[in-house]
Amino acid sequence: AQTVTQSQPEMSVQEAETVTLSCTYDTSESNYYLFWYKQPPSRQMILVIRQEAYKQQNATENRFSVNFQKAAKSFSLKISDSQLGDTAMYFCAFRSGTYKYIFGTGTRLKVLA
Amino acid sequence: KAGVTQTPRYLIKTRGQQVTLSCSPISGHRSVSWYQQTPGQGLQFLFEYFSETQRNKGNFPGRFSGRQFSNSRSEMNVSTLELGDSALYLCASSGRDRGRVGDEAFFGQGTRLTVV
Repeated sequence: AQTVTQSQPEMSVQEAETVTLSCTYDTSESNYYLFWYKQPPSRQMILVIRQEAYKQQNATENRFSVNFQKAAKSFSLKISDSQLGDTAMYFCAFRSGTYKYIFGTGTRLKVLA
Repeated sequence: KAGVTQTPRYLIKTRGQQVTLSCSPISGHRSVSWYQQTPGQGLQFLFEYFSETQRNKGNFPGRFSGRQFSNSRSEMNVSTLELGDSALYLCASSGRDRGRVGDEAFFGQGTRLTVV
């Protein structure tokens, strides 16, 4: 069975600084996808970034980038130039072919002014 | 384009009662999946439907059931409610059969169920 582990329950960062959220996962599958979702107080889950397991190149989306280490089964999220609007719960998620997501327990990120 | 709509947004029920939650996916989407979110357990997968067929099921007791209609709208039912069923229930929809990385699932804002 697949598992996703986020070892940082809470983190804080100063506005404009950089922060990295950690995620490790376990799977025996070779083809899968990894995601970071953001859940602000509004509760709406918003996709931040995604990565295909077979792609070695790390995904980037504006201020968000990942460090994907397939052999180590690690998938960390780096947020550069943090903004107050980045304050939210961040969930790392694993998915194989269908739409069954396996989520980590989340990291609560607070951006400080 | 309208997003995923979940109704109701908030619900208070008594132990032993049953409840039905509704999810209307994005127009044209055929896959609907459900998740239970609690502070202690995080997000747990309940089940997924595609074209009215349940394709995946999580590790929840039989009190949790669901269905999908021909218009892709989905309902989730919980019978004989327990205090531990208090949670945020999230629904997600997607358009394709087998999801590729670009075929993200879009989440609704959830239904907050409180069992007293």
